Formats: sequence, C-alpha cells, structure tokens
Amino acid sequence: DSGVTQTPKHLITATGQRVTLRCSPRSGDLSVYWYQQSLDQGLQFLIQYYNGEERAKGNILERFSAQQFPDLHSELNLSSLELGDSALYFCASSSPRGGVRETQYFGPGTRLLVL
Amino acid sequence: GENVEQHPSTLSVQEGDSAVIKCTYSDSASNYFPWYKQELGKRPQLIIDIRSNVGEKKDQRIAVTLNKTAKHFSLHITETQPEDSAVYFCAAFQANTGNQFYFGTGTSLTVIP
Repeated sequence: DSGVTQTPKHLITATGQRVTLRCSPRSGDLSVYWYQQSLDQGLQFLIQYYNGEERAKGNILERFSAQQFPDLHSELNLSSLELGDSALYFCASSSPRGGVRETQYFGPGTRLLVL
Repeated sequence: GENVEQHPSTLSVQEGDSAVIKCTYSDSASNYFPWYKQELGKRPQLIIDIRSNVGEKKDQRIAVTLNKTAKHFSLHITETQPEDSAVYFCAAFQANTGNQFYFGTGTSLTVIP
C-alpha cells in the first residue's frame, strides 16, 4: 500500500456525461500528479499540483480539469465524455514537507469505462 | 522538454536468466531516474531509483546503472523469476526544479518458467 488513495475504483458512465475522480495523497505530500493509461499504453501525464497550485500541464484535454484543495486532496473532472476516454486514471503524490522531493508513489487507480 | 526512450518494448527470458532494459534521456538537467514495475491492472510501483551523483545502485536482484555522459540508464534484473513478469517503466525528473516526470513507453517482460 503506497498511502495514496483514489475513489472510486471503478466507474461506468455514458458518452456525454461528466465524472469526478478523487485522490488523497500520502500524508504530508504536497504534490499530486494525474496520469491517464489507456489499454496497453504507457503513462500519459495530465497535470500536476503543488500545495494547491497548478505546476505543470501535460496532454490534458480542455474537457478535463483538476484542482487541489486546502487539505491537499485533488479532484480530476472529466466532462463531455467520449468512448476514447475509457482508461485507467492514476494519481501519484510526492514532495513531503522537509522530505525527499522527487520520490513519487502511485494510487491504485480509477478504471473508467465510457459506454 | 525531456524525451525518454525505452527499449526493448517486449522482452522474454528464461527463468534464472538476466534481463536488461535500457532508457535514454535528452535533457542533461535531469538528475533523478526511477524505475517502476506495473503488474496487469495494478498501480506502478517504485522498485529502484538512482540520482545523478551515483553511477550504480543495487537492491538484491535488481540494479540500475547510469551513464550521465551518454545520457542513458539501465535496469538489470538477475536470476529472473516468473513473478518478475510485468511491465517496467523508466522515468526522468529534474529534482528540486522539475515539475513533471517523463516516462518511457514501457517494457513488457515475460519470464518463462
């Protein structure tokens, strides 16, 4: 167990709908990263937050948005869903206060299926 | 930005043999290189990492080597076992200044009993 939690584990929805994925980082970690992993694909970096602020953006679609709250949990919002958005979505955390900044730990992922 | 290339994309070895996976990176400012193992449907798990001030690091049957001049790093697994079968990802990061991990495309390792 990495200490990073994600909910829900599974999500089935229809095209055009909107969903919210939630991530709680390891206790004390300030950074949250979101990744998308389609079937048999690598990890596509979406976005990173550090202590509530957006720090880096990757291949994130305009239909997707994220935020990090004062308690450091993060949410990834996916709207106007398309079939191609079906994937495993991971969040990862790093940067504990006063600790080693770069070690990154992944959550168990949310499997999204768009029908 | 950084570009990480990983080879091979698939690798099959006999149980007990060694496996080597190689990654190259483009940005000389990258100074932290983790390796992750991902079993089917599960989370990537950090198995070993190396920082640029070190040339080699070992942890039991796993080792990582780094050549800063050539900008490449490799994962070595010795005495492979069936439970080593998984997808392995390398990554590059700029510690203290970087905001994004750059991942390789993954290597699917199969250990044949």
